[in-house]
Amino acid sequence: GQNIDQPTEMTATEGAIVQINCTYQTSGFNGLFWYQQHAGEAPTFLSYNVLDGLEEKGRFSSFLSRSKGYSYLLLKELQMKDSASYLCAAESNTGNQFYFGTGTSLTVIP
Amino acid sequence: NAGVTQTPKFRVLKTGQSMTLLCAQDMNHEYMYWYRQDPGMGLRLIHYSVGEGTTAKGEVPDGYNVSRLKKQNFLLGLESAAPSQTSVYFCASSYQGLAGVGEQFFGPGTRLTVL
Repeated sequence: GQNIDQPTEMTATEGAIVQINCTYQTSGFNGLFWYQQHAGEAPTFLSYNVLDGLEEKGRFSSFLSRSKGYSYLLLKELQMKDSASYLCAAESNTGNQFYFGTGTSLTVIP
Repeated sequence: NAGVTQTPKFRVLKTGQSMTLLCAQDMNHEYMYWYRQDPGMGLRLIHYSVGEGTTAKGEVPDGYNVSRLKKQNFLLGLESAAPSQTSVYFCASSYQGLAGVGEQFFGPGTRLTVL
């Protein structure tokens, strides 16, 4: 079966760094995506990891360990606009399907 | 480029009524997906398509049907709506990347209420 776990809620201070973890168990794992979703809006793509290691894109970085079934999203220099839900999604190589976690609701406080 | 569009944006149905949700993309993507999003449940895949004329079941296909007659369109049908189908429905499309399926581009969503 498929199992994607991430914390439900997190709170962090403006200007700080926050790490959002995601663990996954999927059959035929291909890669791991992170999406950002503001309230009432559609998810938008943040990052993709297929190989082990860290991928950096500006203030956002994402890490993957395939052997541990673990990923994290790192947000630096937090801004108020980063308050949103962050979704991790595992891509299965059997049928081109994606399995999403329930999302981590991040609140950035002044 | 409009990206991914969904019609309608909002709809209220009575139990037993039928309706079709339309998704259109202008990015020439091969893959298209229908998800539903419920509080505390995350995005769950209903049906998907890997190309024109093909469809496949996702995690929660019961009560829904789909068709992909044209590459740019993906239709989701509810034959007999039930209150359990009250949800926000998102359509997404993606391309074939180098290592697998590429990132998904999502439509704005359809908010459906079944009374």
